Amino acid sequence: GAVVSQHPSRVICKSGTSVKIECRSLDFQATTMFWYRQFPKQSLMLMATSNEGSKATYEQGVEKDKFLINHASLTLSTLTVTSAHPEDSSFYICSARDSGTGRLRANYGYTFGSGTRLTVV
Amino acid sequence: GEDVEQSLFLSVREGDSSVINCTYTDSSSTYLYWYKQEPGAGLQLLTYIFSNMDMKQDQRLTVLLNKKDKHLSLRIADTQTGDSAIYFCAESIEGNTPLVFGKGTRLSVIA
Repeated sequence: GAVVSQHPSRVICKSGTSVKIECRSLDFQATTMFWYRQFPKQSLMLMATSNEGSKATYEQGVEKDKFLINHASLTLSTLTVTSAHPEDSSFYICSARDSGTGRLRANYGYTFGSGTRLTVV
Repeated sequence: GEDVEQSLFLSVREGDSSVINCTYTDSSSTYLYWYKQEPGAGLQLLTYIFSNMDMKQDQRLTVLLNKKDKHLSLRIADTQTGDSAIYFCAESIEGNTPLVFGKGTRLSVIA
């Protein structure tokens, strides 16, 4: 079945540094990638939607200069948290959509990564 | 806009059935999903139902969909301690749109 590999699973960084999170689709082409963040005991909040080869669309209130999204290929999307601060500490999850064959898949084409726990100290 | 609502907590005894409820607002939903999230982990797809179905059963899981009332439920038979987790209801709309999630229901199973 469809697999999205997300790395790293956990990262601790110092305030002011940048962190890159990668999501790779292993056996399908991720034409669209959704990035979510989840605060403790809360639901998933959509941050941005990226389509391969074009600029990401950010949700209201999400700073595009702080959360840089690159979706340069059909199998890789990255989220870079720039100049991280403690309030950026969160759980970040990607979800890839295979629009081409999505209708044929049991989950209608939404495959989630395993998440990245970011702690900024 | 889309909105998905769930109750936040549910506590059941081991061996009993659990019923987690969800309501949604968008009548153009195509698929509705139930995901399970264990502490510190990502999302695990449990089951899904197409919007033109009323019921779907998969082993211990039964999903009921009342499209008229926009109500979705997940029944877990013979609930086990390993079922303790947060359960998210989500809906998808036709096209290349993201899933819309509810806030999640925390299920606690008492031994």
